[in-house]
Amino acid sequence: AQKVTQAQTEISVVEKEDVTLDCVYETRDTTYYLFWYKQPPSGELVFLIRRNSFDEQNEISGRYSWNFQKSTSSFNFTITASQVVDSAVYFCALRSASTDSWGKLQFGAGTQVVVTP
Amino acid sequence: DTAVSQTPKYLVTQMGNDKSIKCEQNLGHDTMYWYKQDSKKFLKIMFSYNNKELIINETVPNRFSPKSPDKAHLNLHINSLELGDSAVYFCASSQVTGRGLFFGSGTQLSVL
Repeated sequence: AQKVTQAQTEISVVEKEDVTLDCVYETRDTTYYLFWYKQPPSGELVFLIRRNSFDEQNEISGRYSWNFQKSTSSFNFTITASQVVDSAVYFCALRSASTDSWGKLQFGAGTQVVVTP
Repeated sequence: DTAVSQTPKYLVTQMGNDKSIKCEQNLGHDTMYWYKQDSKKFLKIMFSYNNKELIINETVPNRFSPKSPDKAHLNLHINSLELGDSAVYFCASSQVTGRGLFFGSGTQLSVL
């Protein structure tokens, strides 16, 4: 069975602080994909990143960076120099590469990030 | 222009009523999904259709009936609405072997 754990329910920071969101996953698949989605107060789900299980290279996109550690089954997300617009719920998700799963995403419970000015 | 569009955005109704939510995608994807987000923000898959065929049904009450007239559309019909059905329902689409799921903007269903 697949499982995604986001242990942090809510993180509050002051603008310009860095914030790291933890994501730990469980899967028996050897090939899988990991995702992060952002859900701002307006409610839509915004795709941020997809990472293949066979690619452990870390990625940076602007103020966002992701640290994938297969050895610890973690896929953590850091926002550098946070801004008020980063306030949102962030979801980590896991998807099997097996066609049997039909692309189903298993989501974590989400972490609410609150950035105050 | 919208990739995955669902209507309506808000739906307020009385217990016992029947309602439908419509979803359309113009991405040419072959798989579509319905997800439910509860009041604690937890997202859980309900159904998945691949090329108009039901593939995943995650023990959803049979008051919920998805219908896929073609691979670009996946509608959700709910009979005899209950208070516990209040949630946000998201439609999504993907290629099975593709990059990820693209979500609609959600339908906030409130059952009074």
